[in-house]
Formats: sequence, C-alpha cells, structure tokens
Amino acid sequence: SQQGEEDPQALSIQEGENATMNCSYKTSINNLQWYRQNSGRGLVHLILIRSNEREKHSGRLRVTLDTSKKSSSLLITASRAADTASYFCATDERSGNTGKLIFGQGTTLQVKP
Amino acid sequence: DAGVIQSPRHEVTEMGQEVTLRCKPISGHNSLFWYRQTMMRGLELLIYFNNNVPIDDSGMPEDRFSAKMPNASFSTLKIQPSEPRDSAVYFCASSFAGGYDEQYFGPGTRLTVT
Repeated sequence: SQQGEEDPQALSIQEGENATMNCSYKTSINNLQWYRQNSGRGLVHLILIRSNEREKHSGRLRVTLDTSKKSSSLLITASRAADTASYFCATDERSGNTGKLIFGQGTTLQVKP
Repeated sequence: DAGVIQSPRHEVTEMGQEVTLRCKPISGHNSLFWYRQTMMRGLELLIYFNNNVPIDDSGMPEDRFSAKMPNASFSTLKIQPSEPRDSAVYFCASSFAGGYDEQYFGPGTRLTVT
C-alpha cells in the first residue's frame, strides 16, 4: 500500500517564486525523507526529519512535519530553473521497524526561467 | 568517493533471456536496496539487505527475480527469464542504517525487454 502520497502531482512556477509540495502518509513513522530526481538520474537525498521534529531547514529548503495530521511539506524558496525535477517523500513504518523506506509517487516541479 | 556504481547503464534484451544487473555500494554502508521505477507504478522497493543478509524481499515480483549479496561490496539482481513487463529503470541504493538514514542512489540501469 502507498505510504507517502505527494500533492500536487505537477507544479509549474516562475523562477524566483516559492514552491510548496505536500506529502501525506498513513502509519506512524520514525522519520520522513525528501528526495529529488532529475530526469534520467538517480534520486538524491535532500533532507531527513525525525518524528520528534517539527521543522527543518537546509539552504533554500524548509521541511515541516505534522505527525498528528500525518503530513509533511517541502518548501523551496526563491526557486531556480535548476530546481526543475521530481520530488519524492519517503517514510519508514515504525511498526515494521525494518528500516524499509516507502516512496510516494512524487511531485514534478517545473521552474520556468 | 565514487558513489554507488551500477552496471550496465542500459540493457536491451529479448524476452526469455537472462538479465543480470550489478551494484557496488558505497564503502562502509551496511544496507543495500534494489528498486524498480516505472511510470505506472512509481518507485518500488524490490529487496533490502542489511549486512549482506536479505531483510525484506516482499517486493520481489515473482520467482523469476532473484538477488544476492555475496559480500559487502557487491550485489546482483537477476531476472530469468525476462519478460517485456520487466522493462523499467532499476536502481541500487545504499545507506549506513537502512531506512533510518539517508540513502545514496546509483545512476540506475535502464532495462528494455523486447
């Protein structure tokens, strides 16, 4: 079953604007991760937020986690054309405790120059 | 560090043939993952090794798929016999501590079965 689901599926913005992507999940987690995938490439880890954290920053990235709503958001500020990629959230399942990650279907972001 | 290395990068084969995909994880990483990505099904975990031992192979589609990790620096994913529906991009990833840590992905192997 799908653990993480991203919203929206696709997003198109102008360079300089902010981009917000959301992720919802179903079961209790230990941590949630966000990854980026450029076309034809492997996934690249962006940020990991633990279940006891509410917000985390890395450069132009800001991730929030609301465990009561089982949701997370990824904000990219001052977007650049190079941010064009697909973004995935990934969660483990605390009950399973196997260390297995389940990825969502992703949000495709297009940043127009 | 060279990162996760996968070979071949592209593979085109005919239905019924055996296909072997190879992966070299990052040195020192304890966990290795094989994923399959398609437009229809997204990114699916096939199998997960920890310290060379398979921990979860529930994602392996059927008996035609098998994976081995004979040592900490090498893993294979084999499909025998291959079918057109196996066409996908196969990724290998490694990490220090499974899903509790960030995973480093290889560039992937694009498999086309005709």
